[in-house]
Formats: sequence, structure tokens, C-alpha cells
Amino acid sequence: AQTVTQSQPEMSVQEAETVTLSCTYDTSESDYYLFWYKQPPSRQMILVIRQEAYKQQNATENRFSVNFQKAAKSFSLKISDSQLGDAAMYFCAYRSWRGAQKLVFGQGTRLTINP
Amino acid sequence: DTAVSQTPKYLVTQMGNDKSIKCEQNLGHDTMYWYKQDSKKFLKIMFSYNNKELIINETVPNRFSPKSPDKAHLNLHINSLELGDSAVYFCASSPPSGHTNTEAFFGQGTRLTVV
Repeated sequence: AQTVTQSQPEMSVQEAETVTLSCTYDTSESDYYLFWYKQPPSRQMILVIRQEAYKQQNATENRFSVNFQKAAKSFSLKISDSQLGDAAMYFCAYRSWRGAQKLVFGQGTRLTINP
Repeated sequence: DTAVSQTPKYLVTQMGNDKSIKCEQNLGHDTMYWYKQDSKKFLKIMFSYNNKELIINETVPNRFSPKSPDKAHLNLHINSLELGDSAVYFCASSPPSGHTNTEAFFGQGTRLTVV
């Protein structure tokens, strides 16, 4: 079974600075998807960024980028120019390419932005 | 237009009662899910349906019974509610694996409080 681990329960960063959230996963599959979801206090789960394992290029979405290291099974999220609206719980998630269509989530990292 | 909508947003009920949460998606997705988020924010899959057929049942007590009348709807009925059932329940939907955009879209969650 796949597992996802986020080793940082809480992180904080000064507004306008850069922060990196860590995520590692365990799988025997070669094809899969990885995601970062954001959950602000409103509770809504919002997709931040997506990475297909077969793509070597790291995904980027505006201020958000990932460092995908397939051999190391690592998938970190970098947030540049942090904004107050980035404050939220961030969840790393894994989904198989085929078979069981479910997301396996990490424990989450609570990100605080200091003004 | 809300992509995945679930009702109610909040539900407070007494132990032993039976309650239902409804979910509807207008994205045309084949697969729908129920996830449970506990008090520590951990998200775990409960059920997954593909075209009205149950494909994942993750060791959930029999008191929880999902029902999918059509592929756009997935309801969750809970019998004999217990204190430990208090959590946030998320409905989600996604296209099949292998699609380019394969992320799950989540409803706004239902906070269930059993007293």
C-alpha cells in the first residue's frame, strides 16, 4: 500500500519570503500522480499543483513550484513571495495511474504567514 | 456553478440518530468518493464509486452506507451515530486515471457533530 509522509506539522514564513514544504511517499508503482492541496480555514480543498510521475520536468503554477525527485520519492512544494492568503493547511497526496482511484494523503502541514 | 456540492454544511445530532449527507457533481465525472477528515485533520478515503458501482470500501463500519442513484450523485447515510463519527466528511469526484487532468474536485465538506 502507498503511504505519504509530511514530516513538518507546522511551518511559518515571513510575508514575501520563500518557504518549502516537504513530502515523501512510498510506492512500488512506476506511474502515478502527485498533488498538493491547500485547505484554508474555509475548509474547502483547493488543488495547488499536480505532477505526473512520467514527467521529468517539475510542475510550476505561478508562485508555486515543486521539486519532484522520483528516485528519492520526494515531492516538495516551494511557495515564493508568500502572501497572507497562502496561510492554510497543505496536503500532499498520491494517486495511482491505474487501479484504485483514490487519493492517499499525508498528515498535512499548517503554514502560517507572518506579516 | 458549484462543481461538487454537498449538503448540509453543518450537522449537529444526538447519539443514536440516523442522518444523511447528499452530494452532487456537475463535472460529468465517472468516479465519486467520500473522505473523512478527523479532528487531527487527517484525510482518509471511505468509499469510491465508479459509474454507480462501489469499487472501494475502506474498512468502514456497516453503519455507513453510501448510495449512488446515478453517476452524478453519491449520498452517505449513517445509522446509529456515535460520538466518534464526529468529523468533516468530504465528497469528491474525478475523471478516470490516464486523463490529463485527473485531480479530484472536492465539495465544501460537511461538519458532523454528534452530541
